[in-house]
Amino acid sequence: DAGVIQSPRHEVTEMGQEVTLRCKPISGHDYLFWYRQTMMRGLELLIYFNNNVPIDDSGMPEDRFSAKMPNASFSTLKIQPSEPRDSAVYFCASGPTGRGTEAFFGQGTRLTVV
Amino acid sequence: KQEVTQIPAALSVPEGENLVLNCSFTDSAIYNLQWFRQDPGKGLTSLLLIQSSQREQTSGRLNASLDKSSGRSTLYIAASQPGDSATYLCAVPNSGNTPLVFGKGTRLSVIA
Repeated sequence: DAGVIQSPRHEVTEMGQEVTLRCKPISGHDYLFWYRQTMMRGLELLIYFNNNVPIDDSGMPEDRFSAKMPNASFSTLKIQPSEPRDSAVYFCASGPTGRGTEAFFGQGTRLTVV
Repeated sequence: KQEVTQIPAALSVPEGENLVLNCSFTDSAIYNLQWFRQDPGKGLTSLLLIQSSQREQTSGRLNASLDKSSGRSTLYIAASQPGDSATYLCAVPNSGNTPLVFGKGTRLSVIA
């Protein structure tokens, strides 16, 4: 398996624009996690899904953020409108269970909002 | 809510030194603890996973210890090499079988 695949790897956008980050989990994994990493706050869980259903979205910072998982092989994290403080690295991870220790991480998407 | 703290935030050592990275967590009722390595611009690589029933775990030059009662873990790196330069992250589940809560990491530089 190719592992968790995230796209794009880098994204630069202007403030106010809509940004969509994509994730393809490892086949057969029922859980998918979205994390955000910043220098100030480190790695924070934004939301996670089980069998395409959001389980906990308490980490989503604002209504500008939304995540979907339309099927078992694809998830998106959307920011609309984007702001400079959204600049961060966004990681997607997937796992066979909800145990974070069994999750595999993607390479991340570095988002810069100017 | 679980909180994870890592000290020091950054560390620079000469090649060959043995070093210790520290991790503390607020809720000692953990199932396990995991150490990761992150290279600049890259994803996370799992280094060691310690179950709550274990006191330590070893992989090559790396040794991780766990003291649940005091809410602490250490990562010991023996005979450090420039290739060990990276950020090391400690993480524990928030509770039970749940996603991980991460520390902010220790940025290690090993100077040749």
